Amino acid sequence: SAVISQKPSRDICQRGTSLTIQCQVDSQVTMMFWYRQQPGQSLTLIATANQGSEATYESGFVIDKFPISRPNLTFSTLTVSNMSPEDSSIYLCSVRTVMNTEAFFGQGTRLTVV
Amino acid sequence: QKEVEQDPGPLSVPEGAIVSLNCTYSNSAFQYFMWYRQYSRKGPELLMYTYSSGNKEDGRFTAQVDKSSKYISLFIRDSQPSDSATYLCAMGGATNKLIFGTGTLLAVQP
Repeated sequence: SAVISQKPSRDICQRGTSLTIQCQVDSQVTMMFWYRQQPGQSLTLIATANQGSEATYESGFVIDKFPISRPNLTFSTLTVSNMSPEDSSIYLCSVRTVMNTEAFFGQGTRLTVV
Repeated sequence: QKEVEQDPGPLSVPEGAIVSLNCTYSNSAFQYFMWYRQYSRKGPELLMYTYSSGNKEDGRFTAQVDKSSKYISLFIRDSQPSDSATYLCAMGGATNKLIFGTGTLLAVQP
């Protein structure tokens, strides 16, 4: 299994500001993903972070709102831009070594927008 | 219809009981299945990964997959208060995208 460090663990932000969440993995992994988990709802995939190229976004998520970087095989960031209270959620980083294998998660970032 | 259906609970059982958690799915392309445990304010923790129909056992946990019925289960034997958490099923197929259930909240009463 991979050890994933995600920070910050929580934050309270003012609307209209941006927050960048960092995800560091202790080993090189092929795939890194960002999820959102809203209260009482399932995990929703935001995007796949691709090393050295633009992330692949799921329907309903756009790069201007959720810019993602992945400069190498062990690190990625997700920025939540121009935040509104509707962005209040838990954001999770996930990794998989190869397709069709287990997915591992970070501890999550609990974001509250006021 | 959602691709994955999971009863949200809450499910409350006495300590020592056998717990059965279930998910149904509609997409026959799903090939592998996972169960996660998520404690409050923590990220999901992988419990079980299965690729074929049948049972897989790990300690007090047994994962069961019935692909013909599109039904998966997680059984917890001799449940403990420390098992109190939300349990999420997840499944995937030929793409790298996983589909998650909404999670079942389990409370094991001492």
